[in-house]
Amino acid sequence: DGGITQSPKYLFRKEGQNVTLSCEQNLNHDAMYWYRQDPGQGLRLIYYSQIVNDFQKGDIAEGYSVSREKKESFPLTVTSAQKNPTAFYLCASGTRISGNTIYFGEGSWLTVV
Amino acid sequence: DQQVKQNSPSLSVQEGRISILNCDYTNSMFDYFLWYKKYPAEGPTFLISISSIKDKNEDGRFTVFLNKSAKHLSLHIVPSQPGDSAVYFCAASDRTSGSRLTFGEGTQLTVNP
Repeated sequence: DGGITQSPKYLFRKEGQNVTLSCEQNLNHDAMYWYRQDPGQGLRLIYYSQIVNDFQKGDIAEGYSVSREKKESFPLTVTSAQKNPTAFYLCASGTRISGNTIYFGEGSWLTVV
Repeated sequence: DQQVKQNSPSLSVQEGRISILNCDYTNSMFDYFLWYKKYPAEGPTFLISISSIKDKNEDGRFTVFLNKSAKHLSLHIVPSQPGDSAVYFCAASDRTSGSRLTFGEGTQLTVNP
């Protein structure tokens, strides 16, 4: 089955701890993205990567870090510097063949306790 | 600033009737527009898109209309079905941003049986 897999689905973090969310895709897509959704708000871009070993900050990158060592993988680390980390995190991927359409994973809920 | 705006947080329609979801944008460089549908605790799924060279695109029950002069697009669903109840996001991109999308805040559609 081709798709985008995010894990874990639910994650609890204590204040002051870093946590890493996994995102894997087997669609052979070049570009990958991390978005965040808060209640009543749209999707806000955290980081994106158009190619392996390269990534750019999105609109709300502070307190987050990413890596893109493999085409299939784009993990997101939520650091202790992120002041309001409780949110629904969405990973997406896309390719030039799909035009400007991107496809999302199922999302990961992060709750700070 | 909010470059893509969905002014109606919610919309309620009767089953079988038409649902019209609206979206406005401010960036005149946007040339590709998309609609995504999202159920709670799931990732958004792509519905339909339109390029700025068109003013209408239709796919089954879903039609997207683009009015470039008004910087406005709308999604029509007809006939509406209870399974259409979800949050609908409008998104846009331009040639320089590629598949880096800017999303609206979303509209919660409820279709009543």
